[in-house]
Amino acid sequence: DQQVKQNSPSLSVQEGRISILNCDYTNSMFDYFLWYKKYPAEGPTFLISISSIKDKNEDGRFTVFLNKSAKHLSLHIVPSQPGDSAVYFCAAPGGGVGTDKLIFGTGTRLQVFP
Amino acid sequence: DGGITQSPKYLFRKEGQNVTLSCEQNLNHDAMYWYRQDPGQGLRLIYYSQIVNDFQKGDIAEGYSVSREKKESFPLTVTSAQKNPTAFYLCASSMRVGEKLFFGSGTQLSVL
Repeated sequence: DQQVKQNSPSLSVQEGRISILNCDYTNSMFDYFLWYKKYPAEGPTFLISISSIKDKNEDGRFTVFLNKSAKHLSLHIVPSQPGDSAVYFCAAPGGGVGTDKLIFGTGTRLQVFP
Repeated sequence: DGGITQSPKYLFRKEGQNVTLSCEQNLNHDAMYWYRQDPGQGLRLIYYSQIVNDFQKGDIAEGYSVSREKKESFPLTVTSAQKNPTAFYLCASSMRVGEKLFFGSGTQLSVL
């Protein structure tokens, strides 16, 4: 049973437009969420996180929104740039932050074209 | 410069051979992890360790073994029992389990 789901395996967006990557979770105990970005043949790098006490966290072009009632979070990238083309993973600690290993979604491949 | 070092970058395994992937971190993190990524798929947890001399199986531990004799090191052995070892292997660490992970640059393992 997949507790963190990224239902869109791929997304294609034009440069300068907004990219919206979605993530759903099933466990209401999750209280902290992270997004990672991964280029081919490299390790993932941390992008942005959000605690369940917030509904929005912003860092430059990246904003994560959390809707606890819907058990849904989204990552917005605006404006999108070609260098943003990568695979994006959302993740959550299984039993809450600091208690259990991170559970990852299957990833969404973002392609930003000129 | 703190970080996680994985070696080698590329590794080839012959039939029936055990191979060991190295992972070293100088971040003073307690927790370390091994993930496997197959083409077009997500990250699957093989083993993790919360503290020295302790480790737990992840979702796909069969055919793999680990040790955690030092805080800095968490080597992964891919044994001959692992029938489909070709994948990209990622090592990671965090201050404590469930906190932000820092990843190494990965090892691509292929079967000859």
